[in-house]
Amino acid sequence: DTAVSQTPKYLVTQMGNDKSIKCEQNLGHDTMYWYKQDSKKFLKIMFSYNNKELIINETVPNRFSPKSPDKAHLNLHINSLELGDSAVYFCASSQGLAGETQYFGPGTRLLVL
Amino acid sequence: QKEVEQDPGPLSVPEGAIVSLNCTYSNSAFQYFMWYRQYSRKGPELLMYTYSSGNKEDGRFTAQVDKSSKYISLFIRDSQPSDSATYLCAMNRDDKIIFGKGTRLHILP
Repeated sequence: DTAVSQTPKYLVTQMGNDKSIKCEQNLGHDTMYWYKQDSKKFLKIMFSYNNKELIINETVPNRFSPKSPDKAHLNLHINSLELGDSAVYFCASSQGLAGETQYFGPGTRLLVL
Repeated sequence: QKEVEQDPGPLSVPEGAIVSLNCTYSNSAFQYFMWYRQYSRKGPELLMYTYSSGNKEDGRFTAQVDKSSKYISLFIRDSQPSDSATYLCAMNRDDKIIFGKGTRLHILP
């Protein structure tokens, strides 16, 4: 009964491909997030959704498109993958907006070759 | 100047020692201050959460916030090898959380 789960855990793919990462939370939270953690461990927010509505969209290339089919799911689709997209992507959720405790998933390790 | 500055370490201390981890910040709009712990190949997990200047204690952990100096600290007493992890400070503004780069901590048995 994992609180925040992500699939897949590992993703190795070629440059130029399109891939998706899925996230689900069973905590009943209203807000979900995507973070990117680079090789230097810097964790940076990409997007947040509150009740399926986009709240935060940082300066992320539009090759990244989040989709929230319902408030328990937030997926991340990445088009035309580039080498610099290699990182660990974390999904998180919180009851309200930031300022509330965020619960993180285990991460998806993406390697673009 | 980055909004949140944190020394990446690594910091190595012997078991049983008191550990002090620190962050400075530049934006006085930050309201909430947090410390997350991240074990290798895991997601961050919240350790401490505070919104006012002063100290907050939870077991072996004490979080300290000094808003006048824009400085926050996490103290770990009686450090254990299981405390070896990366510790990220975090603070919120405008409905998003800004993380420090994290400090890698090694507790030596």
